[in-house]
Order: sequence, then structure tokens, then C-alpha cells
Amino acid sequence: SAVISQKPSRDICQRGTSLTIQCQVDSQVTMMFWYRQQPGQSLTLIATANQGSEATYESGFVIDKFPISRPNLTFSTLTVSNMSPEDSSIYLCSVEDRSNTGELFFGEGSRLTVL
Amino acid sequence: GEDVEQSLFLSVREGDSSVINCTYTDSSSTYLYWYKQEPGAGLQLLTYIFSNMDMKQDQRLTVLLNKKDKHLSLRIADTQTGDSAIYFCAEKNNFNKFYFGSGTKLNVKP
Repeated sequence: SAVISQKPSRDICQRGTSLTIQCQVDSQVTMMFWYRQQPGQSLTLIATANQGSEATYESGFVIDKFPISRPNLTFSTLTVSNMSPEDSSIYLCSVEDRSNTGELFFGEGSRLTVL
Repeated sequence: GEDVEQSLFLSVREGDSSVINCTYTDSSSTYLYWYKQEPGAGLQLLTYIFSNMDMKQDQRLTVLLNKKDKHLSLRIADTQTGDSAIYFCAEKNNFNKFYFGSGTKLNVKP
């Protein structure tokens, strides 16, 4: 299993500001995934953070809005830029079990509220 | 992302069986999963099935996979009130990316 720490756990932000979410994993992993879960909805994959290369973004998500860093194999950040109320969501960092059977381990999430 | 679809709600009586259905579009899926999310909590992996299997049973849970129709189901036998939660179907594709369905809210009535 993997232990994932995310911070902040929650924040209230003003429209137009940016916030960076940090994700720390207790083991080295190749791929880290960033998801968003909007209120009452499912998880939507934002991007995959690869160490040593650019993150790959899903349709509807762009680097200017959600820049990602992946400086090493245990850490990643996701920035939510120029926030609007529509960005209010839980943002989740996740990694895959090493056996590659695909259990995804999730951080506790960062609940952002944009006013 | 890939399309993974589920019905939104299911209501059953305690002791009955629940069947939650999921369809997906990606024929390159390697694994398919069922996750459970209780109110205010994170996602918990319930079970998974490899794409070349038809069925997997784990205590009260039975997963059926029809790869031809891209249909996955989760059967919960003897459903209990503690099973009330949102159940998410998810698939992993051959690029090792995971996509989740919209979730089915299971309500178990005493």
C-alpha cells in the first residue's frame, strides 16, 4: 500500500487567486494522478504527472489552468490558477499499487471553496 | 477521457440482493474495478476483475464482466444497511490511466 499526504486539506479562496496543492507519497512511484470530484459527482481525471517529463492532460484540462510539477518520484503539486466558483471541488492525488493490478490509493483530498 | 456509465440510483430492502450495472466504451481496458464511497469519506476499493475473466466472487460480492458488450456488474448478496453508499465503476486502460463512472447511490431500506 501507499500512504499519500495532501495539503492543504481544505481552503477557502477568493476568485481570481491561485492555490497550489501538494502531494507527498511514502514510496517512489512512476505515475501520479490528479483527480477532481465536484460536489455530488464522480472523479474526473485532470492529468497524469510523470517524473522527468511534462504532465499529460485530459480533454478539457489545460496546463495554463492546472500547472503541475513533478520534481521527483515521491512528490507532485497541482496549481489551480485564476480560480472561479466553478473550481470549487475536492482535488485528489492518487497513485497506483505497485503490483499494477490497479488499486488506486488516494490522498485525503483538498477541498477548495472559491468565493 | 473514456466513457464509463452507471445508473444514478438504486434502492433495495435489507436482505435482498443488489445489482449495480456499468458500461464502458474502451475496448483496451485491462482491469475493471468497483469502489465504494461512504458519505464524507474517500474511495475504498471493493474488488476488481481482470479483463479476460468473466466472473469473480469475493464473499458477498460477485462481479460479472461481459467483455463483448462492455458491461460490468456488481452483485451484493444479502444487502445490509451498512452497504448504503455510492458505488463507482472504474476502468484502467492500456495507458495505465483510470476512468470512473458517475457513481450509483445505493439506498438500503430496513
